[in-house]
Amino acid sequence: NAGVTQTPKFRILKIGQSMTLQCTQDMNHNYMYWYRQDPGMGLKLIYYSVGAGITDKGEVPNGYNVSRSTTEDFPLRLELAAPSQTSVYFCASSYSTEADTQYFGPGTRLTVL
Amino acid sequence: GNSVTQMEGPVTLSEEAFLTINCTYTATGYPSLFWYVQYPGEGLQLLLKATKADDKGSNKGFEATYRKETTSFHLEKGSVQVSDSAVYFCALHTGGFKTIFGAGTRLFVKA
Repeated sequence: NAGVTQTPKFRILKIGQSMTLQCTQDMNHNYMYWYRQDPGMGLKLIYYSVGAGITDKGEVPNGYNVSRSTTEDFPLRLELAAPSQTSVYFCASSYSTEADTQYFGPGTRLTVL
Repeated sequence: GNSVTQMEGPVTLSEEAFLTINCTYTATGYPSLFWYVQYPGEGLQLLLKATKADDKGSNKGFEATYRKETTSFHLEKGSVQVSDSAVYFCALHTGGFKTIFGAGTRLFVKA
């Protein structure tokens, strides 16, 4: 039981490049989330999903896209990377909407230069 | 709106010292309060929680009491160990999909 896994761990992008951050969970959770954490700030919700085929915007969705074709996978897409997207990205999953049921991945540190 | 403020780090302590990490919140309604911990190279994991005023959450020697009168949820441990070195996040949840996290406090414990 690996929990929530994220790849890559680190990535450097040039302005305007695109990439996909991968997130996979093996706990059969319906709910999945993407957060970003900027230096000195708390985690901000980017997108979330309540099940395969259903996604919705969180607090800071601009510049990102998501899809949820399976229960296990919830990739986050950056189409035109900008320096403002330099951050640490966390994926999480849960079996309910209660905050104490969220399981987090180890994070992806992204730098856009 | 809802918010969480926690003390800035890093906090550096010697082993067996007493730990306090302050957390205060602003919220409408009756939030649940949480402390998460992130060990090096790992994701956040729930450390403890409290769901109503005067509740005390505890786990692994850590404690925090939900104080509505002071809107606080300070994390304490009587005797820290090197293995407690991590980043600690205070958070609140008022329902739905939104959890409000503090900025995190990094703790270093020296042997």
